[in-house]
Amino acid sequence: ETGVTQTPRHLVMGMTNKKSLKCEQHLGHNAMYWYKQSAKKPLELMFVYSLEERVENNSVPSRFSPECPNSSHLFLHLHTLQPEDSALYLCASSQGPGDMYEQYFGPGTRLTVT
Amino acid sequence: AQKITQTQPGMFVQEKEAVTLDCTYDTSDQSYGLFWYKQPSSGEMIFLIYQGSYDEQNATEGRYSLNFQKARKSANLVISASQLGDSAMYFCAMSYPNTGNQFYFGTGTSLTVIP
Repeated sequence: ETGVTQTPRHLVMGMTNKKSLKCEQHLGHNAMYWYKQSAKKPLELMFVYSLEERVENNSVPSRFSPECPNSSHLFLHLHTLQPEDSALYLCASSQGPGDMYEQYFGPGTRLTVT
Repeated sequence: AQKITQTQPGMFVQEKEAVTLDCTYDTSDQSYGLFWYKQPSSGEMIFLIYQGSYDEQNATEGRYSLNFQKARKSANLVISASQLGDSAMYFCAMSYPNTGNQFYFGTGTSLTVIP
């Protein structure tokens, strides 16, 4: 089974819509991450969760709301987004946040805000 | 300040030849990790290789090796015997143990393998 899965793979939404991105990891990891990848920019870390507790929030606008109900699942709730939020959103997991473990990524959700 | 620099936006290599992708980093910490990822057009980031700052030997994983020069703060990726399937974006990343394993990524290098 694929290590990290993300749904949906593609999403088009209007600025007034509310949608959620889902991530699931099957690796038994304890830390999960959301990244935003925009064209010609480095990956931007948005949120870090360790054992279901948020440990990092890099000044992300409140229109992005993460949720981590357990160590295997991570959600990103979206509402009243802007066109500049269109990007590839990547989820990742690692064994833990406190050591230099490699992160395993999902295939991403390509989000377009119209 | 940008912590990871990849100065080659695009690279071409002949199939079966070796290629080096450059990466330099900026840190005053003694303990950190360096990673390389491959991103095909499908979008998934694939972990390739890891080098710890205290590792004395260069990391190798199959056809991938990391040329780690700590004093120069460089961590170049060497791909030997390039294959058509190696065509992708390649990202260098660095993590710090005291920041929740936060990764800092470079802007990437697009590699095209020519038959």
